[in-house]
Amino acid sequence: QSVLTQPPSVSAAPGQKVTVSCSGSSSNIGNNFVSWYRQLPGTAPKLLIYENNRRPSDIPDRFSGSKSGTSATLGITGLQTGDEADYYCGTWDSGLSAYVFGTGTKITVL
Amino acid sequence: QARLVQSGAEVKMPGASVKVSCKASGYTFTSFGITWVRQAPGQGLEWMGWISLYNGKTKSAHNVQGRVTMTSDTSTSTAYMELRSLRSDDTAIYYCARGWEAVSGSSWDYWFDPWGQGTPVIVSS
Repeated sequence: QSVLTQPPSVSAAPGQKVTVSCSGSSSNIGNNFVSWYRQLPGTAPKLLIYENNRRPSDIPDRFSGSKSGTSATLGITGLQTGDEADYYCGTWDSGLSAYVFGTGTKITVL
Repeated sequence: QARLVQSGAEVKMPGASVKVSCKASGYTFTSFGITWVRQAPGQGLEWMGWISLYNGKTKSAHNVQGRVTMTSDTSTSTAYMELRSLRSDDTAIYYCARGWEAVSGSSWDYWFDPWGQGTPVIVSS
């Protein structure tokens, strides 16, 4: 059972915006940096966002990250069929002395 | 371009050990860490542990502590993860990923990029 909670699924039409929430506590999100990963079906995860809101150079600005208190949010604008995947948040948990991933969210493009 | 290539699929009996390799290229191996993550069939990502390649220090998740050993060979830029006393619930795809570790005040910063292609490990009698 993960200490980071994400909605199991979110969906939207092509071109729309979606957000994925990641809820934690003061021992993890509240005091450490958050990263986000995308996992396309049958492939390895890929980094989307690091240090709460920074994008690697190969990730388009359609993807954004934010953090407030003990929650983080991934935003995707201009949704594309290729964005259908599982999305995971992750952060260090100082109480557990372990890195923790969120429960994962499946994004479906209607 | 940084790249990680993992060893091939493994089938093991319960109680056996498995050792997965992760060969890095395209960057200075000892300037980063390597993290190990596994994913059971149909499940989410589970962090297993971390090895700092500049000082060899390791951290591991509580649920595999005592069964997992993470090592590296800097001469070949290869990291290894050995899991002992395998059980059926260790059946998973095992991933390595290059890791960045930093601390800012009391805040820890970890991120993982790129990832290896994954190594399926099946534990079955």
